[in-house]
Amino acid sequence: GDKVKQSPSALSLQEGTNSALRCNFSIAATTVQWFLQNPRGSLMNLFYLVPGTKENGRLKSAFDSKESYSTLHIRDAQLEDSGTYFCAAENYNQGKLIFGQGTKLSIKP
Amino acid sequence: DAGVTQTPRHEVAEKGQTIILKCEPVSGHNDLFWYRQTKIQGLELLSYFRSKSLMEDGGAFKDRFKAEMLNSSFSTLKIQPTEPKDSAVYLCASTLGSQDTQYFGPGTRLLVL
Repeated sequence: GDKVKQSPSALSLQEGTNSALRCNFSIAATTVQWFLQNPRGSLMNLFYLVPGTKENGRLKSAFDSKESYSTLHIRDAQLEDSGTYFCAAENYNQGKLIFGQGTKLSIKP
Repeated sequence: DAGVTQTPRHEVAEKGQTIILKCEPVSGHNDLFWYRQTKIQGLELLSYFRSKSLMEDGGAFKDRFKAEMLNSSFSTLKIQPTEPKDSAVYLCASTLGSQDTQYFGPGTRLLVL
């Protein structure tokens, strides 16, 4: 089965609203990264997490290694937040990331 | 500072050809990754180098895919011979080391006819 499962697979939001994306892990994830792939295809790193939370502007992310999940909260969604959000987990010191299937987010004016 | 660079950005190949994709990691990064991205399979790891040593050679991709890293600032991914099912976006990423942020290049969009 999927080692990194993202939900929802797609989401449409009105500009200015809030939302949360989630990742569940069936592996013992030690670190988590969140990426945004814009419509042109470029993958940009949003967060690198050890267990705990981080905040950057309108984005906030949490990683709970004991409960094996991570969340990405988007506050006051803007048109430029549109794209596909990927989470990826690293398993101990293996060095490689295991990616989820992504959440496609569309922000409507 | 230059990020990860990849060339070419687009490639069209005939079935059976040999193509070589190139990647330059962020200067000073020790780990380099090659991924393939398709709508159906998502992001799949092809190869992974640590300090130029091959750590992962891609399992199911081994027979026609070969990644090399001859020096710390340049890597190639050779696909030989190409097949239409290889059509995808090929992404290169680098990181300082394990448990560190991965930085992605812009990708090479490959179409095999």
